[in-house]
Amino acid sequence: AQSVTQLDSHVSVSEGTPVLLRCNYSSSYSPSLFWYVQHPNKGLQLLLKYTSAATLVKGINGFEAEFKKSETSFHLTKPSAHMSDAAEYFCVVTSNTGKLIFGQGTTLQVKP
Amino acid sequence: EPEVTQTPSHQVTQMGQEVILRCVPISNHLYFYWYRQILGQKVEFLVSFYNNEISEKSEIFDDQFSVERPDGSNFTLKIRSTKLEDSAMYFCASSARGGGFYNSPLHFGNGTRLTVT
Repeated sequence: AQSVTQLDSHVSVSEGTPVLLRCNYSSSYSPSLFWYVQHPNKGLQLLLKYTSAATLVKGINGFEAEFKKSETSFHLTKPSAHMSDAAEYFCVVTSNTGKLIFGQGTTLQVKP
Repeated sequence: EPEVTQTPSHQVTQMGQEVILRCVPISNHLYFYWYRQILGQKVEFLVSFYNNEISEKSEIFDDQFSVERPDGSNFTLKIRSTKLEDSAMYFCASSARGGGFYNSPLHFGNGTRLTVT
């Protein structure tokens, strides 16, 4: 069965410093992987998706994620955090029927 | 950019009452979904819907739940007799093609917060 584990429930960074949100996945086949973001009182917005065409995936707002099959990881990074990045981030894998399986979420706090 | 819209944003109901949560998916999308997030827990799949039929449902989606596409634009989730444990944020989503695979990601609405008292 497919699953994802987000290794940190809460990450705090200072504005202008790098962001790293960690995600490990489990899948019996080549997975479809996503990162979604949820700002307070907003819906789930797609940040980026792994297409299998390239292991380094670029998303919106300067975020990137690198697919590492050997480590079964899909960590989300950003070189420089902005205050507006404060939100809940979800790593997501699809099941073999296509439904989305969410990780527990990581709350990103950005300090001035 | 087209959006999935959900109404109402917040619904308060008494235990045992029926509620209908409404969604307008993106107009050219064919696959529709409901997910929910109980406070402090993971977002979890409820049901997927295509061609006027349920494609897949989770074990959460028992007989008290139903979905319907009453016309060409709306997609609804009905809970017949609400329980306290139904309190959650309910998200509607749609996709152009099925499966949520990388070539057809899901687009989510802002959610309806359901509070059962």
